[in-house]
Amino acid sequence: AQSVTQPDIHITVSEGASLELRCNYSYGATPYLFWYVQSPGQGLQLLLKYFSGDTLVQGIKGFEAEFKRSQSSFNLRKPSVHWSDAAEYFCAVSPGNQFYFGTGTSLTVIP
Amino acid sequence: DVKVTQSSRYLVKRTGEKVFLECVQDMDHENMFWYRQDPGLGLRLIYFSYDVKMKEKGDIPEGYSVSREKKERFSLILESASTNQTSMYLCASSFLGSGEDTIYFGEGSWLTVV
Repeated sequence: AQSVTQPDIHITVSEGASLELRCNYSYGATPYLFWYVQSPGQGLQLLLKYFSGDTLVQGIKGFEAEFKRSQSSFNLRKPSVHWSDAAEYFCAVSPGNQFYFGTGTSLTVIP
Repeated sequence: DVKVTQSSRYLVKRTGEKVFLECVQDMDHENMFWYRQDPGLGLRLIYFSYDVKMKEKGDIPEGYSVSREKKERFSLILESASTNQTSMYLCASSFLGSGEDTIYFGEGSWLTVV
């Protein structure tokens, strides 16, 4: 069965610091991979996605993610965090018509 | 831009009431989904539909039903609301089977059952 693991429930970083959010998946083949962000009280917004090709994917708001097949990982990164990045982040995988989500990582940004 | 609209953002209902949550998408997507989101549990799939009048159970269908009479509209129904159904409900849609699908979400509906 497919599963998505986000091992960090909550992360706190200082504004301007770099950020890495971890995501591991379990699936027989390479699925389609996504990162979403959710601001408080809002729906989920797509940050970036990986379907094939270059394993380093650029997204909106200065985020990027790297797909590592050998580690079954799709970690999200940002070189310099802004206070407005404080939100919940979800990793998702899709083998086709279905989508499977991690339990999310809550990001707090301190001044 | 893809637009998924959930008509009710905040609802307060009494135990035992019948509750309808409505969702409309404007991108002619075949797939539509209803998720429930609770702290620490992430998103859990309640039901999804890949065509008009078609539905499939997700991970937590108990206590819920759905209706899809038109392609753009997918309704979630709580036949008899209970306090343990207090939650955030997210509707989503995507294309069917193209392989490179992205799922798009509505803003969410906060339901409180008292």
